[in-house]
Amino acid sequence: GAVVSQHPSRVICKSGTSVKIECRSLDFQATTMFWYRQFPKQSLMLMATSNEGSKATYEQGVEKDKFLINHASLTLSTLTVTSAHPEDSSFYICSAKRADTNYGYTFGSGTRLTVV
Amino acid sequence: AQSVSQHNHHVILSEAASLELGCNYSYGGTVNLFWYVQYPGQHLQLLLKYFSGDPLVKGIKGFEAEFIKSKFSFNLRKPSVQWSDTAEYFCAVNAPGSSASKIIFGSGTRLSIRP
Repeated sequence: GAVVSQHPSRVICKSGTSVKIECRSLDFQATTMFWYRQFPKQSLMLMATSNEGSKATYEQGVEKDKFLINHASLTLSTLTVTSAHPEDSSFYICSAKRADTNYGYTFGSGTRLTVV
Repeated sequence: AQSVSQHNHHVILSEAASLELGCNYSYGGTVNLFWYVQYPGQHLQLLLKYFSGDPLVKGIKGFEAEFIKSKFSFNLRKPSVQWSDTAEYFCAVNAPGSSASKIIFGSGTRLSIRP
């Protein structure tokens, strides 16, 4: 149990376009989902926390107008990178927290975004 | 604010050697502590976690970690490593009482095992 599906696993887009990444909890309800960014050979940096039905909370330095997060249901959160630029190329990972516990965090398999 | 420090960026060991990866956190209140592993090309997996109780926590694949509150540490150990343990290891902390319950990660330690 506790599977998080993240899609797509890889995406290449042109500079100036937008890309949407989906994060789904397959067999549990996730009240909270987290979006992380991982640069090569570096740690995961938390970008934002999204709670179902409310606005996401962004970490300091993360542009909320550039990284749009929607958490419309208890099983789906999306991250849209708007007007992507090459410096947005990175590995994006979502994590979902189970609604029935304070301790269960499950990570998606990540999305490799390359902006050309 | 919470923070996590992993002092070893890259550790190289031979098979059967013992392993200890350091992790220190800074937060004055109650914390939950985690160790995650990321094998090459794969996603994060939970190795073990500490919430309360016995400070010596046993995880999967023979790993264990000891929570020492006075030292704000949660070091990861394994008595005898295998080549398949080659991976990136991340220590993480979260404050269960906080509204966001977000997990903060350390910078990671790359473990390379020589066959």
